[in-house]
Amino acid sequence: QITLKESGPTLVRPTQTLTLTCTFSGFSLRTSGLGVGWIRQPPGKALEWLALIYWDDDKYYSPSLKSRLTITKDTSKNHVVLTMTNTDPVDTATFYCARQARNTFDVWGQGTMVTVSS
Amino acid sequence: QSVLTQPPSVSAAPGQRVTISCSGSTSNIGNNFVSWYQQLPGTAPKFVIYEDNKRPSGIPDRFSGSKSGTSATLGITGLQTGDEADYYCGAWDSSLSAGVFGGGTKLTVL
Repeated sequence: QITLKESGPTLVRPTQTLTLTCTFSGFSLRTSGLGVGWIRQPPGKALEWLALIYWDDDKYYSPSLKSRLTITKDTSKNHVVLTMTNTDPVDTATFYCARQARNTFDVWGQGTMVTVSS
Repeated sequence: QSVLTQPPSVSAAPGQRVTISCSGSTSNIGNNFVSWYQQLPGTAPKFVIYEDNKRPSGIPDRFSGSKSGTSATLGITGLQTGDEADYYCGAWDSSLSAGVFGGGTKLTVL
């Protein structure tokens, strides 16, 4: 069974750095073709693609957020970490991680709600 | 605004058929695979169509996907109240070197 779970702070102060961890099981990021991505969804709004890391350490970022995002993986721990710098209240959202396979996000985590507020 | 364009809402009666459109460009839909995701209220999205028209196991054949040029369509037949959800299209954008989603379509089964 493939599962992913997001973890991190529920509240972040504006300008702080947000660090989220995706812990997964049931697959390995050493497997060719697989990736893990991050997607966010502000309350009542649409999904927004953020970043993606592949088994070979190729990384891709949303152009509008590229300067603020970093995605890394720890294959031995089955972790993928997303950091977002200089947060703002508009970054308040539910953040999802998902496995990328078959040219799609085929398994999603349950999501973690992050509020950016002073 | 989203790179991929979807209608904000669609509705139909139980048992009827509905289609949801997703319009893009040659840099995304026109030259890359399209996925469709279903998001039931209060839950994480779930993929229902991948690689334009393939159904994952467990998704009923009432769901179908098609693509023509720079547009894609999700079709759902035999509508059930349990199909009420937000539906999102997604694709890779070769110009952006990033993934993109549509703005989502709220399906109401009247």
